[in-house]
Amino acid sequence: DAGVTQSPTHLIKTRGQQVTLRCSPISGHKSVSWYQQVLGQGPQFIFQYYEKEERGRGNFPDRFSARQFPNYSSELNVNALLLGDSALYLCASSWTASNSPLHFGNGTRLTVT
Amino acid sequence: GESVGLHLPTLSVQEGDNSIINCAYSNSASDYFIWYKQESGKGPQFIIDIRSNMDKRQGQRVTVLLNKTVKHLSLQIAATQPGDSAVYFCAENSLIYNQGGKLIFGQGTELSVKP
Repeated sequence: DAGVTQSPTHLIKTRGQQVTLRCSPISGHKSVSWYQQVLGQGPQFIFQYYEKEERGRGNFPDRFSARQFPNYSSELNVNALLLGDSALYLCASSWTASNSPLHFGNGTRLTVT
Repeated sequence: GESVGLHLPTLSVQEGDNSIINCAYSNSASDYFIWYKQESGKGPQFIIDIRSNMDKRQGQRVTVLLNKTVKHLSLQIAATQPGDSAVYFCAENSLIYNQGGKLIFGQGTELSVKP
């Protein structure tokens, strides 16, 4: 079975630009969560979506937004990029909104110059 | 505030020895804990989880211990192998508050296995 897949794997953007990251969950998983991982730190929660509805949001500015599609795939959008947005963006999926472990993809490495 | 911390940022062990990675958590409402392994260039890989109604859980070569009294979590790896070299994260969650997708991660411990 395919695991969580994310695209693109690497991305370079300029300050002020906008970026869209994509995630396909494990087949059958209905919950998708997004995390930001800065080098040398643990992942930080950004969003959770379940059945196309936002179920949770972390302490990130409104420049960050996401959505989930009917096939349970998801997109993360970041507007007005800052240098500090450079990080590994991880997507994780799970069977349900809670009570099941998260399975992570290999992430999208975003570099903002 | 909520936080998960690790006692040892780096750990170096000899191949074949047992490894113990420790983690402290501060949120008394946390009732679900997970250990992840992250290799360079990859996402975190699920190792083992434990719920707060248990104090020990075993997997293949790994054991997780939970001490709720002192809010401490540990991961024991038996017969450590070079392939175990990675950064290990503990993460906590509060299922009763319906925050299943919101894991709080610690900073991580880098495990280095010497052949």
